[in-house]
Amino acid sequence: GENVEQHPSTLSVQEGDSAVIKCTYSDSASNYFPWYKQELGKRPQLIIDIRSNVGEKKDQRIAVTLNKTAKHFSLHITETQPEDSAVYFCAASPYNFNKFYFGSGTKLNVKP
Amino acid sequence: DGGITQSPKYLFRKEGQNVTLSCEQNLNHDAMYWYRQDPGQGLRLIYYSQIVNDFQKGDIAEGYSVSREKKESFPLTVTSAQKNPTAFYLCASRSGAPYNEQFFGPGTRLTVL
Repeated sequence: GENVEQHPSTLSVQEGDSAVIKCTYSDSASNYFPWYKQELGKRPQLIIDIRSNVGEKKDQRIAVTLNKTAKHFSLHITETQPEDSAVYFCAASPYNFNKFYFGSGTKLNVKP
Repeated sequence: DGGITQSPKYLFRKEGQNVTLSCEQNLNHDAMYWYRQDPGQGLRLIYYSQIVNDFQKGDIAEGYSVSREKKESFPLTVTSAQKNPTAFYLCASRSGAPYNEQFFGPGTRLTVL
């Protein structure tokens, strides 16, 4: 089955700096890659996603890049703010979306 | 955040007891999922259902059971056979094409005493 690895497990940045979280996957059949943000005690919420026919996608301060050849994808957050502090999960899903495989999460701490 | 609900929010169980976690959605989604989340770990898939009256085991189905008799409902039973049931349980539903986005419920925190 699919194996998604996520790094780093914790990330601490100064407000205004950029943050990058990286994930790798193993199954070439995966073609949908969402990113979720989970605040303490809350449900995960989708913040951005990318499909295998696209190499990069951006939404305001958040961007995701995908390298299908190397089987890795990354989340980039620019101009970080304290409210960006949360746990971020990457995931991978095959074309039929019947399963989602999650990374182990990155705890992002943005220091004011 | 509306559209998918879970109850109860907190659940305490004695060892040897079965408990059922509720998950309801009014989003008219065909697909529904149950995940388990342990501290410092990602979400692990317990069961999923692509359509009413059909469901499949995920990666950690042992000790759990589900039913999908209605489109709106996908209850999860944690049986006494589950050796380490204390965890945070998340239910999700998925929208159809073209977005196929997962929406999560608020979760149920189960503690075995």
